Amino acid sequence: SQKIEQNSEALNIQEGKTATLTCNYTNYSPAYLQWYRQDPGRGPVFLLLIRENEKEKRKERLKVTFDTTLKQSLFHITASQPADSATYLCALGSSGGYQKVTFGTGTKLQVIP
Amino acid sequence: NAGVTQTPKFQVLKTGQSMTLQCAQDMNHNSMYWYRQDPGMGLRLIYYSASEGTTDKGEVPNGYNVSRLNKREFSLRLESAAPSQTSVYFCASSERGLAGGINTDTQYFGPGTRLTVL
Repeated sequence: SQKIEQNSEALNIQEGKTATLTCNYTNYSPAYLQWYRQDPGRGPVFLLLIRENEKEKRKERLKVTFDTTLKQSLFHITASQPADSATYLCALGSSGGYQKVTFGTGTKLQVIP
Repeated sequence: NAGVTQTPKFQVLKTGQSMTLQCAQDMNHNSMYWYRQDPGMGLRLIYYSASEGTTDKGEVPNGYNVSRLNKREFSLRLESAAPSQTSVYFCASSERGLAGGINTDTQYFGPGTRLTVL
């Protein structure tokens, strides 16, 4: 069955450093991958989308890579700030038929001042 | 624009009671979804509606029913609540996009309903 794995352990990082979160998947051939941010007590918020034929996507301090051979996406936050502390979810999407998006369980990021 | 709104924000039920969770979106999206989120389980799809007038089961539909009342509103009903339905429920709507020849689906979530079933 399809499986999306994100590190369930929280990631603690010093302010100013680059945070790197990992999303691995198996038994899935996604057409695209998304990253969402979720703050406590709130719904997820869309951040970035990367297609299967793209290697890298950037938006301000955010960078996403997508390696379909390794079946892995890396999500980087450069010059991290305490305000970046949140849980980050990856989601895989298919393009055929009903376009369901499947979410990973998320990784909690804590940026320490 | 309010985006996606959900009511209520919190609810406590006794086993066997029924209730309806309400969801509305003002973004003119065709597709709407109901998820539940449990610790360690991530977001799991309960039901979805690809367009007004249609609904389909997701990954965990048992014990739930839905109604797509119109394009804006999508409700989730628990007919006989069970403790296993204690969870945080999120409604979402999605914007169909086309990126590089690939149809994509970006979801916009409501604030959630925290439900406890005793």
